[in-house]
Amino acid sequence: DAGVIQSPRHEVTEMGQEVTLRCKPISGHDYLFWYRQTMMRGLELLIYFNNNVPIDDSGMPEDRFSAKMPNASFSTLKIQPSEPRDSAVYFCASSLARFDEQFFGPGTRLTVL
Amino acid sequence: AQSVAQPEDQVNVAEGNPLTVKCTYSVSGNPYLFWYVQYPNRGLQFLLKYITGDNLVKGSYGFEAEFNKSQTSFHLKKPSALVSDSALYFCAVRAPNSGGYQKVTFGIGTKLQVIP
Repeated sequence: DAGVIQSPRHEVTEMGQEVTLRCKPISGHDYLFWYRQTMMRGLELLIYFNNNVPIDDSGMPEDRFSAKMPNASFSTLKIQPSEPRDSAVYFCASSLARFDEQFFGPGTRLTVL
Repeated sequence: AQSVAQPEDQVNVAEGNPLTVKCTYSVSGNPYLFWYVQYPNRGLQFLLKYITGDNLVKGSYGFEAEFNKSQTSFHLKKPSALVSDSALYFCAVRAPNSGGYQKVTFGIGTKLQVIP
């Protein structure tokens, strides 16, 4: 398996623009997580899905953030409109519940100017 | 609420010496504990976990961790450090299953620098 795949790896955009981050989890994994990593706040869980259903989105910072998982092999995290304080590395991870450990993608480094 | 503390922002160790990266936790019930490593510009990689059983857990790349319930600690150790071990290390905890998925809480991370 190729592992968790994220795209794009780097995104530079201007304030106010819409940003869409993409994730393909490991095949067969039934949990998918979106995290944000910054120097100031460390690793923050934004939202997670189980069997494509959002379970807990309490970490989503604002209504500007939304996430979807239309099928077992694809998820998106959207920011609209983006702001400079959204600049961070966004990670997607997946896991098999019974084994618990999470497998992380390489991340998307987002810069909002 | 569960939490993880990694008291050292950075740990420096000479190559060949033993290393320890500290972690303490707070959770209701018996914890599930994890260590992950992050190399520059990469995602986190799972190293090892403790769920139950032997307090000494062995993981990838020669790392091990010792669960100490009385001290609520789960320190990461390696007998002989390599320069290639230099990375950011994260401790994580979750509460035991209780009818639903329990979120994992990650620590802030400890930067390990192995000096040649």
